[in-house]
Amino acid sequence: ILNVEQSPQSLHVQEGDSTNFTCSFPSSNFYALHWYRWETAKSPEALFVMTLNGDEKKKGRISATLNTKEGYSYLYIKGSQPEDSATYLCAFASNTGKLIFGQGTTLQVKP
Amino acid sequence: EAEVAQSPRYKITEKSQAVAFWCDPISGHATLYWYRQILGQGPELLVQFQDESVVDDSQLPKDRFSAERLKGVDSTLKIQPAELGDSAMYLCASRHGQGNNEKLFFGSGTQLSVL
Repeated sequence: ILNVEQSPQSLHVQEGDSTNFTCSFPSSNFYALHWYRWETAKSPEALFVMTLNGDEKKKGRISATLNTKEGYSYLYIKGSQPEDSATYLCAFASNTGKLIFGQGTTLQVKP
Repeated sequence: EAEVAQSPRYKITEKSQAVAFWCDPISGHATLYWYRQILGQGPELLVQFQDESVVDDSQLPKDRFSAERLKGVDSTLKIQPAELGDSAMYLCASRHGQGNNEKLFFGSGTQLSVL
């Protein structure tokens, strides 16, 4: 059974704080690692897709790193803003075509 | 910008009734997924289509759930009979690209409440 774990489950930070979350995934049969942001009442939106060990991706204040050998990815948000409040989902894509999601990290940024 | 269309947005039904959800992916996207998301958990894959063929339905409760994508375009997910435990968000997504360029596009989901 493929298991994708995210931590923490929820996070409350003050505006301006920097924060990070973890996604753990199987280190075998790896194809890609996806990150999505899911705001309340909206559809999940793709942030990053990473395929290579050591990959780093950046989009504005959000960045992500990938370690396929040990099976983890970090998502960083620098200087959190209230509009960053959302659930952040990671998904492990196996080389068999499966895409398995973690349970998400819910971020609340207080003004 | 093209979107994945899903309907209905909300559905309330009584247990033992039949319900159906519809999804129209972005044109040209061959891979379509149905996920179920229970509050506090991550989306759980129910079924994956490649064109009109089922690629993975290992987590689909086949005694009550069925899914089809007859012409390889839009798709329907049905539950008959619905049970209380089926209350959840049902998300449809289509996939585009490969490797670093691949990503999923999600619909707005159908929030199902079974009473």
